[in-house]
Formats: sequence, C-alpha cells, structure tokens
Amino acid sequence: DTEVTQTPKHLVMGMTNKKSLKCEQHMGHRAMYWYKQKAKKPPELMFVYSYEKLSINESVPSRFSPECPNSSLLNLHLHALQPEDSALYLCASSQGTSGRNEQFFGPGTRLTVL
Amino acid sequence: KNQVEQSPQSLIILEGKNCTLQCNYTVSPFSNLRWYKQDTGRGPVSLTIMTFSENTKSNGRYTATLDADTKQSSLHITASQLSDSASYICVVTGYSTLTFGKGTMLLVSP
Repeated sequence: DTEVTQTPKHLVMGMTNKKSLKCEQHMGHRAMYWYKQKAKKPPELMFVYSYEKLSINESVPSRFSPECPNSSLLNLHLHALQPEDSALYLCASSQGTSGRNEQFFGPGTRLTVL
Repeated sequence: KNQVEQSPQSLIILEGKNCTLQCNYTVSPFSNLRWYKQDTGRGPVSLTIMTFSENTKSNGRYTATLDADTKQSSLHITASQLSDSASYICVVTGYSTLTFGKGTMLLVSP
C-alpha cells in the first residue's frame, strides 16, 4: 500500500465548531506532516511528527491541534477557526525526516470556514 | 534565505505540443530536487527526483534536467495530453526542510 488517505474530502464548518481531519498511511513511514495550501500557492508546512512525537511546529495558531495516536495515524483537531483558515489541508508521510526521503502526499481535505 | 523561483507562472499549449518549465533555486545545503504534479484540489504527486550528481532523469513523457552549478532545473513535457493540465511544483530539499516553488499552472488545450 503506497497511499496516504485523508478524510473527509470536504469539510464546511462554522467558527464555533470543533472538527477533526484524519490522515492514515500503511507504508511504515515514521514521519508525518500537515501542510496548509491556499489557492494558487505552494503548500506551507504546519507540523512535523517523527516517531509519533511532534518535532516541528511552524508557529501555527493554537486553534489547530495535531495529534499522532500511533505510527499510522495523524489527526488535526480544529476549534474556533477563522474564515481565512479556509484552505486545502494536505497530509504527507515519509520514511524519515531526512531530505533524502520522499514525502508522499494525500489527496487533501478541502476546508471551508463560514 | 532559501528560495525556489519557477517560470513561467502559467502556460497554455495545444495538445500534442512540447513544453519546458523552469526552476531556479538558492537552497543550501542541497540534498535533492523534485518535480511534483498537482491536479486541482488534489495532493502533489512526485514525477522525478534528482540529486547533485544527476543531470537528466526521465519518467515517461517527462524529462527533468539539473545543472547544480547554475542551480537550475527544467521539466520538459513531450507530446502533451489533456491530462497534463495541472500545476507543476519544483521542490528543493536541504538537510531536512523542503522549499516549494509557487508552481507553473499548465493548461493543455484541445
């Protein structure tokens, strides 16, 4: 299995809602990532998990809360989001965090905050 | 500051024609350079990866080149198809961080 899966595909939420994005991979990768991508812009790194521990947080607001329950799963918990948080949220995984390792991307979750 | 510049920003070509996309980078240290294809609303998919010692690498109708001296790369698409319409992103990896270009939006017209 060489796939990264993400659910849901689309999510619409209000500013007072709490929701979660899910990401799963079964390639035995030990590094997992969350990216945010606005329209016509490149992906921006949000968080990096290495061996289930948060290793990089790119100064992301606390209304985004990542969680890595096990080596195959990565969640992104959302609370009190703003309309400007509407974007495509991409999950990726790689064997390790070294630049030599290719990152495999999931299809993304299209998030709309009303 | 690590930067990746891509050109052109967007490109329209007729089906069956060839095209070349450019990528210039200032990333140090340099580990590798990847070209990704991203369909609208989907995640990026890797096309090629090139390390310092590689000059050319092909993947079907896609051929990437790398000049590590001038820090330039190109992606050549041969005999374009409608399904090639997508954003093509150049990503340069340093020790552990990825620097993304803004992408070239390619539209292949029938």
